[in-house]
Parts: sequence; C-alpha cells; structure tokens
Amino acid sequence: DAMVIQNPRYQVTQFGKPVTLSCSQTLNHNVMYWYQQKSSQAPKLLFHYYDKDFNNEADTPDNFQSRRPNTSFCFLDIRSPGLGDAAMYLCATSRVRDRYTEAFFGQGTRLTVV
Amino acid sequence: TQLLEQSPQFLSIQEGENLTVYCNSSSVFSSLQWYRQEPGEGPVLLVTVVTGGEVKKLKRLTFQFGDARKDSSLHITAAQPGDTGLYLCVSFTGGGNKLTFGTGTQLKVEL
Repeated sequence: DAMVIQNPRYQVTQFGKPVTLSCSQTLNHNVMYWYQQKSSQAPKLLFHYYDKDFNNEADTPDNFQSRRPNTSFCFLDIRSPGLGDAAMYLCATSRVRDRYTEAFFGQGTRLTVV
Repeated sequence: TQLLEQSPQFLSIQEGENLTVYCNSSSVFSSLQWYRQEPGEGPVLLVTVVTGGEVKKLKRLTFQFGDARKDSSLHITAAQPGDTGLYLCVSFTGGGNKLTFGTGTQLKVEL
C-alpha cells in the first residue's frame, strides 16, 4: 500500500505558467520534505516542514513555495516555471524510530516545462 | 555542511560480477541508510545501519557500517540486471530532521 502518494506522476506545464504538485501521506509523520532531482543526480532538498514549522534551504529559489495545510498534505508551488525547473520532484516523510530516523519517499512527479 | 561522498560515481558491469559501493564522510553519523532508485521512481529504502561495525545482509546485498560510523559500504554479489539503478546513502543531520544524501552511484548491470 502506498504510504507517500504524489500526484500527478507526470506533469507538463508551459513556461511561466504556475503549477502545483501535491503530496499526501498516510503515515502521520511529523516531517515532510520536498526534493528536486535532475537526471542521475542525488536529490536536492528544497524545504522541509516539522509539523507546521517551515524550513527553507538557503539556495532554494523564491520561485518555489510550499504549503502544508495539515499533517497529511503538502504542496509544492512553482510560481513561474522555467526550462531549468524541469526535473523529478520527490516528496518524503520521516519518523524517529528507536535510535535513528527513517525516511519514506513518494514515487515522484516528473515535471516537463514546454 | 556535512557531505557524503560516494564512489564510484558510475559503474557498468556484466551480470554475475561482484561490486562494492562506498559512502564516506568526515563526520560521525548516528545512523546511515541505503536506498535504491530505479528510473522514474522514488528512492526505496534498502537498509538502515546504526551500530559501528554492523553488517547487514539482504539477499545478495551486504551492508557494512564503519567502526567509527563515518563510512559505509554496499557489496552486491553476482549482480543481476534488476540491480540496475541509482544507489544513495543517506543520513540525517540538523538535529535529526534533515536528510543528507550521498552523491550517488549509478549502477548498470548488463546481460
């Protein structure tokens, strides 16, 4: 059963047209993350939430925004997508388990900008 | 900023060969995780190692955490085409909430 669900799996948007990617989780985890991943590279953290506390990475462009209306849902808004924003976007959650933290990823949304 | 360096970056081998992927850092980690990511999919957790010197086996995959908890290795025995993917070591920093990814190892296993 999918525990971190991203919609849609594939998204095509026009250059400059706002787009929203969504993520939901059934795990009730406190922490949710958004990552950007370009071909064969490691994912790059854009931001994360600890409950409602928002943590933005210093090098995340202002073009990227996020919302977390409740524990289960988190959204990534790209206000004016450029060609360079075409990538796989990954959502993840994490929990503290015994002595370590464990992360779970969604299947990702492949964004194409035309 | 903590860095996790993986080597090699790319690896192309024939079915049946053995291989080892390394993950190194100058920092001590409380735990370290390995993920495999197939093209077009999200990363899937393979294993978590917690104790220095720990060895865990998952079928043909053997994971080791260094004694000093600064490095880890993944050994695959008799690789198969289904092992193809991006292998990522990951740890948590920033008080335990921030995922830090390794630089990644792209593995291709050919028939």
